[in-house]
This record gives sequence, C-alpha cells and structure tokens, in this order.
Amino acid sequence: GAVVSQHPSWVICKSGTSVKIECRSLDFQATTMFWYRQFPKQSLMLMATSNEGSKATYEQGVEKDKFLINHASLTLSTLTVTSAHPEDSSFYICSAQMGAGQPQHFGDGTRLSIL
Amino acid sequence: GENVEQHPSTLSVQEGDSAVIKCTYSDSASNYFPWYKQELGKRPQLIIDIRSNVGEKKDQRIAVTLNKTAKHFSLHITETQPEDSAVYFCAASQFRGNKLVFGAGTILRVKS
Repeated sequence: GAVVSQHPSWVICKSGTSVKIECRSLDFQATTMFWYRQFPKQSLMLMATSNEGSKATYEQGVEKDKFLINHASLTLSTLTVTSAHPEDSSFYICSAQMGAGQPQHFGDGTRLSIL
Repeated sequence: GENVEQHPSTLSVQEGDSAVIKCTYSDSASNYFPWYKQELGKRPQLIIDIRSNVGEKKDQRIAVTLNKTAKHFSLHITETQPEDSAVYFCAASQFRGNKLVFGAGTILRVKS
C-alpha cells in the first residue's frame, strides 16, 4: 500500500522550456503533497507544501512564479518548472501524506536535465 | 526553524557488524522522527520512525532510539548485510506542521 507514482522519470530539454512533473497517489487519498529538490550527493530540500484545493506554501528562497504547483485533486499534484535553465537541473521528488502526522511516502523522482 | 544534523557522513562496516547513525535536532517542538533509506537514483524509503512519546522502537535488525532531553536520535542496524549499503537520512517534523527537515545523509557501505 501507499504507492506514489511520479512521471516522467527523466526529462532532458532545452533551456527556456517549461516542464511539468506529475505526482499521483495510487492507492490512497493524499491531503498533503510535498515537493523536494535533491542535488547530487546532497540531502532533500523541501520546496513547497501543497494541500488539495488551496495554494501551495513555498519555502524561503523558492520562486513560486518559477515553480508552479497545482494540487487539483486528492490524488494528483503537479509541479511545472517554467522557463527552465541549466541551474534548475536536479532530481525532483514528491511525497504524499494521508493525513496530519502520517508518514510521507515518496515517488520515484524525476531527473531533470536542462541543456 | 528546525535544523537537523547527521553524523557520520560516511560509514564503512564489515558485513555482520553493527552500524550506528546519529542525528540531533534543534526544535524542541519536533515530535516525529523518521529514517529513510535511499539507493542511488531511487526514492527514499521509510525504514522506521519514532514519535516523541516513546524512547525506542525496534523492527527486526533496525532500531531507533530517541533522547528528547538531549534532542538526539539514533539509528541502529545490527548484523549488517551488503544490501544495507545505501544513503540513510534522518528527519524531524512537528505533528501539526508536517514538514520534514532532513539531515545531510550518511553513506553506509557494508563490505563483504
């Protein structure tokens, strides 16, 4: 149980392109989804917290106009990296949570490479 | 805000030996402490967690201890196996806040 699917797993695109990443909870309803970024050999850094039907809460230093988050349903959240540049290349991972105080279950991650 | 420090950054042990990874946290309001195992290029997987109302939790070869007074918690892996080799992350959060703050990670290498 508690399976989180993330798509796509790998994206390579040109600088200036916008990229959308999907995060789905397959067998449970997620009241909250989280988006993390992980640079090589580093820890996971929280970018934003997303609750279904409301605006995402962004961490300090994360540009909300660049990283657009939509949480339209209890099973789907999307992250759109707008006008991506090489410095946005990273491993993006989502997690989903059934309810307050419950464990976070992670997706497989999306490796984004901007040329 | 919360700050989680994790040590050591790298740990090499012989197969069959025990491994211990330690974390400290700064926010006394934190009350949930999970441990994740991440293999290269894969998702972090929850291996064990502990809440602040208990001091120790065990699941087969894995155990976690929590000292609320000192604000530190540790992961103990006994009888290590090569498949235990991975990066391990500790994290801390508050029940209501839900945000996980991760430690920097420990690369565990189990030599056979």
